[in-house]
Amino acid sequence: SQQGEEDPQALSIQEGENATMNCSYKTSINNLQWYRQNSGRGLVHLILIRSNEREKHSGRLRVTLDTSKKSSSLLITASRAADTASYFCATDTSSGNTPLVFGKGTRLSVIA
Amino acid sequence: DAGVIQSPRHEVTEMGQEVTLRCKPISGHNSLFWYRQTMMRGLELLIYFNNNVPIDDSGMPEDRFSAKMPNASFSTLKIQPSEPRDSAVYFCASSLAGNYEQYFGPGTRLTVT
Repeated sequence: SQQGEEDPQALSIQEGENATMNCSYKTSINNLQWYRQNSGRGLVHLILIRSNEREKHSGRLRVTLDTSKKSSSLLITASRAADTASYFCATDTSSGNTPLVFGKGTRLSVIA
Repeated sequence: DAGVIQSPRHEVTEMGQEVTLRCKPISGHNSLFWYRQTMMRGLELLIYFNNNVPIDDSGMPEDRFSAKMPNASFSTLKIQPSEPRDSAVYFCASSLAGNYEQYFGPGTRLTVT
């Protein structure tokens, strides 16, 4: 069953604007990860945030995690046309070797 | 490192034929995953292996699907017989452990006519 649900399903913005995508999940997690998928390609890992962290940055990416609300957000600042892709959150349901569960993704279009 | 390698990249076959998809994970990774992606159902985990042992195959749609990992550097996903509803992109991914960062292959686009 789907653990993470991204919101919105699709987002269209102008180049230079910020893009915010949200992810909600249902059960306790060990960590949450964000991935990007360009059309026709495999997913690429962007960033991982642990359950004891609240915010993490990587370049133009900022991820927040609110475990009390079981939600996370991914902010892409100063977006570029090359950021056009689908973005997925993935959660693990416990520590150890249980696999990640991916959401259905947000499709981001950045218009030049 | 070459990353996760999948073959073939594209496969077109007729209903009823056997299809075999291949994956070479990143050297040193202990976990391997097979996914299927469609517009309707999104990304679905079919099966995953830890140290070459199948751990959970509850995502395999039906008995027509089978997967093997004979050694740490090779895995196959077989569909026999194939059906049009099996048309999808099949991804293989590997990681150091089940809940670590996963590295995806480029995928195999399967079309069953």
